[in-house]
Amino acid sequence: GAVVSQHPSWVICKSGTSVKIECRSLDFQATTMFWYRQFPKQSLMLMATSNEGSKATYEQGVEKDKFLINHASLTLSTLTVTSAHPEDSSFYICSARRMGQSLYEQYFGPGTRLTVT
Amino acid sequence: GENVEQHPSTLSVQEGDSAVIKCTYSDSASNYFPWYKQELGKRPQLIIDIRSNVGEKKDQRIAVTLNKTAKHFSLHITETQPEDSAVYFCAATLYSGAGSYQLTFGKGTKLSVIP
Repeated sequence: GAVVSQHPSWVICKSGTSVKIECRSLDFQATTMFWYRQFPKQSLMLMATSNEGSKATYEQGVEKDKFLINHASLTLSTLTVTSAHPEDSSFYICSARRMGQSLYEQYFGPGTRLTVT
Repeated sequence: GENVEQHPSTLSVQEGDSAVIKCTYSDSASNYFPWYKQELGKRPQLIIDIRSNVGEKKDQRIAVTLNKTAKHFSLHITETQPEDSAVYFCAATLYSGAGSYQLTFGKGTKLSVIP
């Protein structure tokens, strides 16, 4: 149990367009989901924390108008990269905390590779 | 906020030898310390974790030690195998408010096990 999926697994888009990435918890309900960005050969950097039914909390330096996060249900959170630019190219990974269980553990999705041309 | 330092950034060991990766954290309120293994282009996989009320935890060839006074924790892998080759991340968890705990990751250690 505790499977998290992401869609798409990879996407190429043109500069100036928007891209939506979905994060789903397949076999559990997630009250909290997290979005991370990982540049090549670097660590995971937390972008925002998303609680179901409320606005996301963004980390310092992350533009909330550029990275739109919606957590409309207990099994789905979406990240939309608006007006994407080449510097937004990265590996985006979501994670989910399982409702009713440990407040600490997070289950990670497989990631989405975004390339902006 | 929390700051996690991880060393070394790269580590090469001969198959069968042990590997040790060390991390320090800055906020004494952090109370959960997981270790993740990440293969290229894949998701981080939790391999072991430790809570602040425990000093050591072992799971087969993997062990983690925690020194809360010194604010450092270490990952020990014994009898390394080629399939242990990956990037390993330590993390510290800190309460961020509104019932939410956040992970702060170290920069990672690329472990290469040479057959």
